[in-house]
Amino acid sequence: DIQLTQSPSSLSASLGDRVTITCRASQSISTYLNWYQQNPGKAPKLLIYAASSLQSGVPSRFSGSGSGTDFTLTISSLQPEDFATYYCQQSRTTPLTFGQGTRVEIK
Amino acid sequence: QVQLQESGPGLVKPSQTVSLTCTVSGGSISSRDHYWSWIRQPPGKGLEWIGYIYFTGTTYYNPSLKSRVTTSMDMSKNHFSLNLTSVDAADTAVYYCARVSRHSNRFDPWGQGTLVTVSS
Repeated sequence: DIQLTQSPSSLSASLGDRVTITCRASQSISTYLNWYQQNPGKAPKLLIYAASSLQSGVPSRFSGSGSGTDFTLTISSLQPEDFATYYCQQSRTTPLTFGQGTRVEIK
Repeated sequence: QVQLQESGPGLVKPSQTVSLTCTVSGGSISSRDHYWSWIRQPPGKGLEWIGYIYFTGTTYYNPSLKSRVTTSMDMSKNHFSLNLTSVDAADTAVYYCARVSRHSNRFDPWGQGTLVTVSS
């Protein structure tokens, strides 16, 4: 199975901050990497697919980059609704796997 | 737009089988472009892919659960189902269904999720 390791596991940030979350794969997955946002008690929501493509309807302050084994999700200016948990997911091969999540909290 | 809704028992006894259904509206489960998937999330923990099914009936399961999982589809009702046998406390989780793009393996959209608690 392809393992995904996110860092940090949690972070505290203020409104307007630039936030970067990383996801490292245990083997090369090209750009087969997706990012999701999950608010408490809610289902995950797709933000970024194919490493850097913004899902329709997602604000442009979200961006993704990377290829191979190292990927990043960046929020350019943190908004109140962005305080949530973020997951990466590899779509290269089954079993499909997720990172352990990064919780973004209010400082 | 496509919407998914899970249904099933909230409480199941250990060693029993949990059966869940995901009803799809605004789209057809006979789509050639999509798989239909189950994912679970134990309380306070991360996401685990269970498996998915294609309209042909072809299935793909996570090896960690493969011996206990079956999925099926009912085209007439536009829903798909999950059976998980021999459950124990470790199977307590929120179970989500989701549509998966066949060519990119991305999950979108998701159902709201249903909590299944395994307890005697």
